Amino acid sequence: EVQLVQSGAEVKKPGESLKISCKGSGYSFTNYWIGWVRQMPGKDLEWMGIIYPADSDTTYSPSFQGQVSISADKSISTAYLQWSSLKASDTAMYYCASQTHVATFAIWGQGTMVTVSS
Amino acid sequence: DIQMTQSPSSLSASVGDRITITCRASQGISNYLAWYQQKPGKVPKLLIYAASTLQSGVPSRFSGSGSGTDFTLTISSLQPEDVATYYCQKYNSAPWTFGQGTKVEIK
Repeated sequence: EVQLVQSGAEVKKPGESLKISCKGSGYSFTNYWIGWVRQMPGKDLEWMGIIYPADSDTTYSPSFQGQVSISADKSISTAYLQWSSLKASDTAMYYCASQTHVATFAIWGQGTMVTVSS
Repeated sequence: DIQMTQSPSSLSASVGDRITITCRASQGISNYLAWYQQKPGKVPKLLIYAASTLQSGVPSRFSGSGSGTDFTLTISSLQPEDVATYYCQKYNSAPWTFGQGTKVEIK
């Protein structure tokens, strides 16, 4: 089965670091762009950035450049989204999604809810 | 960066109605346009890619058209299960920006 499985919900304090994961299976994870999408509570989808696991080529949305870090470990078909210092405004659902032969996000993870609160 | 503008932001229609959602790109994107459906509390789902190609398993009442800067998503006969927010997305080059969404409700 083609799927992306994300790590579980997180509750963190402002200033803490966090790394969430997204593991692909059932398709050629290495050879398609995989990205991250933010959805703040009650708000729209925001494209954060993408990574090509084969060579770790990464592109960020200007809105998220410098705020997060996207990485991937092709040996275990896993992509990551990382924060070094969380803010309350990072509270959101984060989805990973993978390109396929259709060239855009055809496969989506189930989402990881990140709550940042003191 | 190219901006994606959807209209309307919300609509209410009766079961069986034909509805159309518009997405406009601030610059030409050829046919690198996708449409997604997100039902309340659920993961987004790809409906249409390459502006007009239906993703496998998507009902044929959904259709897409357009090229360049102007695109439309049409539901030919609205069903109760189509209640959702619909997003367009450009993917010709990064950033693969989403539109701001159109919320569809049943009257």
